[in-house]
Order: sequence, then structure tokens, then C-alpha cells
Amino acid sequence: KNQVEQSPQSLIILEGKNCTLQCNYTVSPFSNLRWYKQDTGRGPVSLTIMTFSENTKSNGRYTATLDADTKQSSLHITASQLSDSASYICVVSAASGTYKYIFGTGTRLKVLA
Amino acid sequence: DGGITQSPKYLFRKEGQNVTLSCEQNLNHDAMYWYRQDPGQGLRLIYYSQIVNDFQKGDIAEGYSVSREKKESFPLTVTSAQKNPTAFYLCASSIGRGGNEQFFGPGTRLTVL
Repeated sequence: KNQVEQSPQSLIILEGKNCTLQCNYTVSPFSNLRWYKQDTGRGPVSLTIMTFSENTKSNGRYTATLDADTKQSSLHITASQLSDSASYICVVSAASGTYKYIFGTGTRLKVLA
Repeated sequence: DGGITQSPKYLFRKEGQNVTLSCEQNLNHDAMYWYRQDPGQGLRLIYYSQIVNDFQKGDIAEGYSVSREKKESFPLTVTSAQKNPTAFYLCASSIGRGGNEQFFGPGTRLTVL
């Protein structure tokens, strides 16, 4: 069964600290993996996309990694800011060419001053 | 200004009423999607459409209906048959079939009184 699991469910950190969010998937055949940021009451916004051949990709203070062998991805946030408080959703696309996007339940991050 | 819009932002419905949620995009995307988001759960697919005048049921289509008469528009009707409609509804669009980035609207929060 295609599944995406994220951990932790929630996380609280102090402003300026770093954190890492995890995403494990059992989607096959794999096409790509995206990390989205969703502010409360808003729609998700894409942060990064990882394809099979990519190990690391950065977008400002966000760095995503992908290990296609172990089917794991992480999102590292450096020097967190209050505006980073949001839910972060991992989405894996299946390569079958249909509509299949498999969503994780998200990690809710709270950054405190 | 390209994007995807949803209206209304908040919607209240009495039990037994049908309500329609609007979704419009000017990104020239072929594919459009409707998701439901509940606390602690990943996004669940209600309906999707890959082309005008064609749409497919997702994982939780019961109690919902859609139409796709224009490329830009994909309205969702929540019928009285939907037993637990209170949720946050997200519309998305993408260039084509699975794997392409989905762009999300700002969402509609539906509450049944």
C-alpha cells in the first residue's frame, strides 16, 4: 500500500535554532517527492521537489534530502524564524502517470521567540 | 496575476442543504483537484479532472459532486448525503498528469450548523 509517514507530528523550537523533519514513504514506482509549507488556514505552497537522482536540494534556509534506497527524505530548517511556524507536508508522486499524489499527515512546527 | 482562487473563504451550512464551493484558475492548467483536510489527517482526494467535461472520483467522493464545463473552473457541491461535511476544502491544479507540481488555492472552511 502506498503510504507516506512523517515525524514528528509536532515540534516546538526556539527562534534561531535548527530542526529536521522526517518523511518515510512506501510509494512505488517513485516519481518525485515534494515538501510543502502550509500556514494555518491557507493552502500549501511548494518548497522543494526531489527526483530519484537528487540527494540534496536547497531553497534558502530550507534543505531537503532524499535517500531513494531507504525511501527516506528530510527537511532541514536552518536558523528558524517565527514565520517558519506552519505545517510541513511531504507529498510523494507515483510514477504510474495517473493522478496519484500521496500525502503525509504533516509536521506542525511552532517557533517561539 | 496568475493563480488559483477559491470562494467563499468561510461557508456555513444547515443540515440538509447543498452548498457549492467555487474554484477558478488562470494558470492554463489541464488538471484540477478537490481535497478535504481534517485535523491530524493528510489531504484526501475527493474528485479530480484531467480535461474539460471529464472527471474521476477520488478516495472519498461519496456525498460530493463536481462539474468541469470550463478549463478554468471546477466547482464542488457538497450534498446533504455527505454525513460529516465540516472540514477545510482545498482546490488544486497542475499542468498535467501525476508528478507535476500542484498549485493550491487558499481553501474554504465549511461548517455545518
